[in-house]
Amino acid sequence: TQLLEQSPQFLSIQEGENLTVYCNSSSVFSSLQWYRQEPGEGPVLLVTVVTGGEVKKLKRLTFQFGDARKDSSLHITAAQPGDTGLYLCAGAQLSDYKLSFGAGTTVTVRA
Amino acid sequence: ETGVTQTPRHLVMGMTNKKSLKCEQHLGHNAMYWYKQSAKKPLELMFVYSLEERVENNSVPSRFSPECPNSSHLFLHLHTLQPEDSALYLCASSQEVAGGYEQYFGPGTRLTVT
Repeated sequence: TQLLEQSPQFLSIQEGENLTVYCNSSSVFSSLQWYRQEPGEGPVLLVTVVTGGEVKKLKRLTFQFGDARKDSSLHITAAQPGDTGLYLCAGAQLSDYKLSFGAGTTVTVRA
Repeated sequence: ETGVTQTPRHLVMGMTNKKSLKCEQHLGHNAMYWYKQSAKKPLELMFVYSLEERVENNSVPSRFSPECPNSSHLFLHLHTLQPEDSALYLCASSQEVAGGYEQYFGPGTRLTVT
């Protein structure tokens, strides 16, 4: 199973600030998924990026897939307390049921 | 609401008990998964079923026994667990999209073994 490394492991910021979370691997993926998990709940799928260089926006969240499809980033603009959670990236391969998950980045946005 | 439900949401059991976790998906997916999530550890894949056939079993102890009677339901039968088995157990289902399989998770069962 290919490894995905996420950084930073923890991030604590003030409401209104921007933040970026990184997801890196030495392996190429067919697609990459980002999830957010709140305490006591399951991960919720935010986005899937498929094409190298692709940028997707979801309100204040911007997701980018690296040109070589080995890395991805999640940028949050003007973070709000509701953005608090564990952010997970997961890499997928064609015709493989399994995803390779990163260890996650815990984001805390203080009011 | 992700279309994947899990019951119970919380479970406390002794080491000699037998219990079962249930997962149901309403998304028409043909693959289902069990994951274990412990504090400060990455998600651990336990089992994968595709079209009701087990396709992955990641060296999980035999005290965990999965069952997939149809493509919408998945069970995890538990017996003689250990305290270190306390964790959040997550069920997921998936569909194949461009680029691979996209997984949808249930809310999880918080299991405490006493």
